[in-house]
Amino acid sequence: DADVTQTPRNRITKTGKRIMLECSQTKGHDRMYWYRQDPGLGLRLIYYSFDVKDINKGEISDGYSVSRQAQAKFSLSLESAIPNQTALYFCATSGGAGRTDTQYFGPGTRLTVL
Amino acid sequence: AQTVTQSQPEMSVQEAETVTLSCTYDTSESDYYLFWYKQPPSRQMILVIRQEAYKQQNATENRFSVNFQKAAKSFSLKISDSQLGDAAMYFCAYRGPLSGGYQKVTFGTGTKLQVIP
Repeated sequence: DADVTQTPRNRITKTGKRIMLECSQTKGHDRMYWYRQDPGLGLRLIYYSFDVKDINKGEISDGYSVSRQAQAKFSLSLESAIPNQTALYFCATSGGAGRTDTQYFGPGTRLTVL
Repeated sequence: AQTVTQSQPEMSVQEAETVTLSCTYDTSESDYYLFWYKQPPSRQMILVIRQEAYKQQNATENRFSVNFQKAAKSFSLKISDSQLGDAAMYFCAYRGPLSGGYQKVTFGTGTKLQVIP
């Protein structure tokens, strides 16, 4: 079974709709992240969370919100989707302990906003 | 601000041959971490290899190895005995030292590797 899962894997929606992307992990990590990937731009951080009570904005948080329902669950919401939010969205986790704090990624959600 | 540059948007290699993907970065830190991630057509981001800057020895994972040149701020990935399954987008990433808070991971724009049978 995958350590980091994302649902849905693909989603097509219309402008103005509310969308929630969900992420779950079984790695026991306390840190979770949401990124978006656009062609030619690499990955950019939207939000990150160090634990259930800690939520922080990343570099491109406008138009997004998150919820950390439990240590293992971290959801990303688009309150009113717009076409330029069409992208590939990744959830990632890391353990926080140790020096490297390597991030491990979910399989991604491809979101299309029409 | 830290930047990561991958100057090769696309590369190709013959199956069973060796290929090297380039990555340079800019930082004023002395202690940091470097990563290579692979993204196959399945879209999954898979950690290939990581290097801690304080370690002089180059990291190796099976057919994957790095050439870490700290003074030159260069971190290239060598894939030996290339296989069809190595075809993917490869991303270089940098992260600064942890000091209680969050350290942003900066990703390069990727190199698309094609493996020719």
